[in-house]
Amino acid sequence: ETGVTQTPRHLVMGMTNKKSLKCEQHLGHNAMYWYKQSAKKPLELMFVYNFKEQTENNSVPSRFSPECPNSSHLFLHLHTLQPEDSALYLCASSIGQEGMNTEAFFGQGTRLTVV
Amino acid sequence: AQSVSQHNHHVILSEAASLELGCNYSYGGTVNLFWYVQYPGQHLQLLLKYFSGDPLVKGIKGFEAEFIKSKFSFNLRKPSVQWSDTAEYFCAVTPGFQKLVFGTGTRLLVSP
Repeated sequence: ETGVTQTPRHLVMGMTNKKSLKCEQHLGHNAMYWYKQSAKKPLELMFVYNFKEQTENNSVPSRFSPECPNSSHLFLHLHTLQPEDSALYLCASSIGQEGMNTEAFFGQGTRLTVV
Repeated sequence: AQSVSQHNHHVILSEAASLELGCNYSYGGTVNLFWYVQYPGQHLQLLLKYFSGDPLVKGIKGFEAEFIKSKFSFNLRKPSVQWSDTAEYFCAVTPGFQKLVFGTGTRLLVSP
């Protein structure tokens, strides 16, 4: 248990569906992240939120839409995905303040399959 | 492009063998360095980290890593591996305080 919880753990969706991934952290952190983990590729940073403000969008297609209503919750809204978007989506959090511990804590991920 | 490189993608060792996994990064300036481990079916866990001070860092489960600034390297070592060390190992760097950048990972298989 890392203090970062992701739901659902597994998701199968069609290319025309709309779904959302949820992440919640109970660590009092200010920064939250979405990463994509695909086979044979580095973990790809998708989005960064710090104090609820998006501070990084790593050239992610618009079919992925993040939302951060507060520092404890992070969503990833999905629509009209492609089969190549199938991957493990990881949420992480960290303190998010310069000069502080930058260690990130990860959730267990959502295994997404697009059919 | 700025990046984190792990040169060994797959490593197979027998129990009690010594382990060294390479990690190089290309960011200049002050960086924080990490090794994460992902056991089969589990989440990413922190193995060890370097922020400042002694460049030889001790982590959990007998792992250590050495930061060599002149070589932009942060190699992971363990003198004697166990079957339970079978996992994927990721080197990561924070070039800024928010952004954690990962290498491609190294799959380690330890045979009993």
